[in-house]
Amino acid sequence: AQTVTQSQPEMSVQEAETVTLSCTYDTSESDYYLFWYKQPPSRQMILVIRQEAYKQQNATENRFSVNFQKAAKSFSLKISDSQLGDAAMYFCAYRTYNTDKLIFGTGTRLQVFP
Amino acid sequence: KAGVTQTPRYLIKTRGQQVTLSCSPISGHRSVSWYQQTPGQGLQFLFEYFSETQRNKGNFPGRFSGRQFSNSRSEMNVSTLELGDSALYLCASSFRQASGANVLTFGAGSRLTVL
Repeated sequence: AQTVTQSQPEMSVQEAETVTLSCTYDTSESDYYLFWYKQPPSRQMILVIRQEAYKQQNATENRFSVNFQKAAKSFSLKISDSQLGDAAMYFCAYRTYNTDKLIFGTGTRLQVFP
Repeated sequence: KAGVTQTPRYLIKTRGQQVTLSCSPISGHRSVSWYQQTPGQGLQFLFEYFSETQRNKGNFPGRFSGRQFSNSRSEMNVSTLELGDSALYLCASSFRQASGANVLTFGAGSRLTVL
């Protein structure tokens, strides 16, 4: 069975600084997708970034980037130039090919201080 | 483009009752999935529907059921409610792509409280 582990329940960062959230996963599949979702207090789950396992290049979306290490089954999220609006719960998620079944980690609560 | 709409947003039920939650996907999205979010168990997959067919089911008791209509709208039903069913129920829709690179868009959720 596939599992996703987020070992940091809480992280904090100062505005404009950089923070990295960790995620590891376990799977025997070769084709899969990895995601980072953000859930602010409004509860709306928002996609931050996604990575296709067959792509070696790390995904980036503006201030958000990932470090995808397929052999190590590691998928960390780096947030650069942190902003107050980045404060939220961040969930790492895994999905196999052609299904909408997401397996989520337990989440990391990110606090951003001015 | 309207997002994923979930109704009701909040509801309170008592033990033993049943509840039906509704999800209207983004126009053109034929895949709908449901998730339960609780402080203790986190985010857990409930079901996945595509073209009115259940494609996947999570590890939940038979009290949890769902369906999808021809217009892709989906409902989930929980019968004989228990206190542990108190949760945020999230619905997500996606446009199935041949590449498998479906991107899920979530609704704001339905907050169920069981007393």
